[in-house]
Amino acid sequence: EIVLTQSPGTLSLSPGERATLLCRASQSVSSSFLAWYQQKPGQAPRLLIYRASSRATGIPDRFSGSGSGTDFTLTISRLEPEDFAVYYCQQYGGSPPVTFGGGTKVEIK
Amino acid sequence: QMELQQWGAGLLKPSETLSLTCAVIGGSFSGYFWGWVRQPPGKGLEWIGDISHNGDTSYNPSLKSRVTISVDMSKNYFSLKLTSVTAADTAVYFCARHRIGVVNWFDPWGQGTLVTVSS
Repeated sequence: EIVLTQSPGTLSLSPGERATLLCRASQSVSSSFLAWYQQKPGQAPRLLIYRASSRATGIPDRFSGSGSGTDFTLTISRLEPEDFAVYYCQQYGGSPPVTFGGGTKVEIK
Repeated sequence: QMELQQWGAGLLKPSETLSLTCAVIGGSFSGYFWGWVRQPPGKGLEWIGDISHNGDTSYNPSLKSRVTISVDMSKNYFSLKLTSVTAADTAVYFCARHRIGVVNWFDPWGQGTLVTVSS
């Protein structure tokens, strides 16, 4: 099983600040198969980034993804009030073929 | 704009069978996989399994012995059954379109159904 470890568990920041979220895989993951999601309380996850760095339809350009191999990053360049949420990375490969990271909560400082 | 709408029983007793259905509205059913993901209260996401439009399935090994995912192409529905539930199966269950191929993602998602297992 490919384990995804997200850090930090919680990120306390103010609106306007930059957020950097990390996702580390226990073994190499194809960049094509790394995605990021945003989840707000009581809602389903929303696809933000696929193929490690491609923004999904309708996602603002303040969200960007990067990385390869075992280390991937989601960056929010300037936090807006609606960006405070939990973020998950997800990979495809291995057994089971789909795993998610444990999540990073971005909270208002 | 594709939308997924899901429904099913929200309260089960231990040993009963969880049954949820997801309708695909406003888009093509063919060419994609259709998946189920669950989230225990206050916890992270766990993939349950997928089915293709023509019935090919893939299950999480941790649940495989209890899970069946099926598809009804005539109605654009897919369904989840999980047998012999326990309190550990209490979670919000989501259905989602799963793109598998040169890229991999889940989008869109259903609204989620809270399933509580309690005696």
